[in-house]
Amino acid sequence: TQLLEQSPQFLSIQEGENLTVYCNSSSVFSSLQWYRQEPGEGPVLLVTVVTGGEVKKLKRLTFQFGDARKDSSLHITAAQPGDTGLYLCAGARQAGTALIFGKGTTLSVSS
Amino acid sequence: EPEVTQTPSHQVTQMGQEVILRCVPISNHLYFYWYRQILGQKVEFLVSFYNNEISEKSEIFDDQFSVERPDGSNFTLKIRSTKLEDSAMYFCASSRGGGNEKLFFGSGTQLSVL
Repeated sequence: TQLLEQSPQFLSIQEGENLTVYCNSSSVFSSLQWYRQEPGEGPVLLVTVVTGGEVKKLKRLTFQFGDARKDSSLHITAAQPGDTGLYLCAGARQAGTALIFGKGTTLSVSS
Repeated sequence: EPEVTQTPSHQVTQMGQEVILRCVPISNHLYFYWYRQILGQKVEFLVSFYNNEISEKSEIFDDQFSVERPDGSNFTLKIRSTKLEDSAMYFCASSRGGGNEKLFFGSGTQLSVL
């Protein structure tokens, strides 16, 4: 079973701080996706990274796919309370195959 | 924005009973999925469905599980004889295409097996 390890598991920070969460594996993935999940809701896709070394930005969120396509990171600049939630990474070994999810990072941003 | 809808939002059942979880995927989507999330654990893939047949399934998806697209809009997951360990949040998802197409998830059905 291919595993995606996310770290840290929990992160509690103050508004305005920067943070990075990580998603690591020993396996190569065709693509990695980052989702955000609110309590009682399904995951909502934030971004898909496909190319090794790729960097994508979504407002204050920066996503990077590792050169070897085994890891990814999510960096949030100047975190806001609205960023609070569970951040999940998910990868597909081959395009179109089942997504494997990490356990997620629970982020809490207080004002 | 179009969304995937799931019913019921909560389902309580007795062990050994059959349950059917219902999903209405986004109308122009062609690929359908079921995932589940046991409390405190990761989201796990169960099955994918395309062109009226299962395209991939996990080891969790044993003979007790089945999926069906009975008409042009619904996509169902049936658990034939529920076990305590089937208690979880079940998410339906759909996508327009395969590959790296964006998955849209429903809000889930919380299944509690007593």
